Amino acid sequence: EIVLTQSPGTLSLSPGERATLSCRTSQSVTSKYLAWYQQKPGQAPRLLIYGTSNRATGIPDRVSGSGSGTDFTLTISRLEPEDFAVYYCQLYDNSRYTFGQGTKLEIK
Amino acid sequence: QVQLQESGPGLVKPSGTLSLTCGVSGGSISSSNWWTWVRQPPGKGLEWIGEVWHSGSTNYNPSLKSRVTISVDKSKNQFSLEMSSVTAADTAVYYCAYSSGWWRIDNWGQGTLVTVSS
Repeated sequence: EIVLTQSPGTLSLSPGERATLSCRTSQSVTSKYLAWYQQKPGQAPRLLIYGTSNRATGIPDRVSGSGSGTDFTLTISRLEPEDFAVYYCQLYDNSRYTFGQGTKLEIK
Repeated sequence: QVQLQESGPGLVKPSGTLSLTCGVSGGSISSSNWWTWVRQPPGKGLEWIGEVWHSGSTNYNPSLKSRVTISVDKSKNQFSLEMSSVTAADTAVYYCAYSSGWWRIDNWGQGTLVTVSS
């Protein structure tokens, strides 16, 4: 089973700053199987990025994804107040989904 | 866009069976989607439970496979989750969702909290 490790656990930044969130997989994976979600308190997760770098419908272009092999990154270029939430990476492998443990992005 | 709504008991006794249904609106259960269940224990991360195709084909999380059944009811345009032999560790918000492809989960229901307690 491939394990996803997200870092940091918590990221404290101010609006307008750049956020860089990491997701590392325990084995090299195919980029098309890697996605990112945002979850706000009391809400269901929302798809942000799929196939490592494809934005889902309605996601602004200040949100971007990149990476390959075992290292993947979610970048939010200019933080808006609504961006402060928990972010999960997700992998589809061997007919199952696995999630990272999450990164909490909080206001500094 | 397809909308999803979970329903079922909010309280289940230990060793009992958890049963949830997900109603699908704005689309057909027979469309080319994988219909999915994910859960989230209070204050913790996401855990994928499994998925079903409209034909009845399923994939399950190996760690839950022995206790889980996911099925489709085309006549009611809904799909269901059954989890047997539940314990307090199964207390979680349960989400139904779907994947239209690209190995991602496109859209989620609002979630329903299920508590396992006597």
